[in-house]
Amino acid sequence: DAGVIQSPRHEVTEMGQEVTLRCKPISGHDYLFWYRQTMMRGLELLIYFNNNVPIDDSGMPEDRFSAKMPNASFSTLKIQPSEPRDSAVYFCASSQGQDTQYFGPGTRLTVL
Amino acid sequence: AQKITQTQPGMFVQEKEAVTLDCTYDTSDPSYGLFWYKQPSSGEMIFLIYQGSYDQQNATEGRYSLNFQKARKSANLVISASQLGDSAMYFCEYGNNRLAFGKGNQVVVIP
Repeated sequence: DAGVIQSPRHEVTEMGQEVTLRCKPISGHDYLFWYRQTMMRGLELLIYFNNNVPIDDSGMPEDRFSAKMPNASFSTLKIQPSEPRDSAVYFCASSQGQDTQYFGPGTRLTVL
Repeated sequence: AQKITQTQPGMFVQEKEAVTLDCTYDTSDPSYGLFWYKQPSSGEMIFLIYQGSYDQQNATEGRYSLNFQKARKSANLVISASQLGDSAMYFCEYGNNRLAFGKGNQVVVIP
C-alpha cells in the first residue's frame, strides 16, 4: 500500500482565500484523523471520522474550518476564509479500528 | 479531558547509549492505549510502539521498549543503543475515544 496520501504537500496562499487540503487514507482503514501542528500549540486533533461519519469535531478551531469524508477513500479539510494564524502543517492519519495511526506526509500551509 | 505531559527539555545523547523519554498522563478511563511516534526533521510522523493498558508485559519493538507503570500513569519510552538516525522529536499519545498528544521530546544523538 502507498500509505496515507496528502495533497498538496505545500500551499502558499493569501489571507482570505479558500484552502482545500486532501487526504486518501490507507485502503481498509475505517478511521481518519485530521491534525494541525504548530510550534506554539504542538500537535492538535481537529476532527476524526469513523466509517466516513464525523465522530468528534471539538478540535475544529472555528466555523472557518470544515471537513468532509464523502467516501472511504477520500477526505477534505477546507479553510474559508484563510488567515495567517492558520499557517501550520496539517496531517491526515488513518487507522484500522482504534489502533495505530499511520500518518501522511503532511501539508505545509502558509497564509500570507 | 485526557492530559499528556512530556516535560523534558531537549536532550543530547551519546551514540550507542540508552535514553529514556518521560510521558505521564491523566485519565479515569479503565481501558486505553499509549503510543509513541517519532518525527524526524523531515516532518513525517512514524509509529514506534504501542502499549495497551491491560497488557501484562511492557511492550518492546526492536531497540524501543516501554516502561509502563499503570499505577503511576506513566509510559516512558526507552531507546537502547542510540543511533544518529534517532535524532528527532518523540511524541507520546493517549488513545481511547478521546485522543491526546504530548508536546514532544527533542532528542539529538551525538557521535
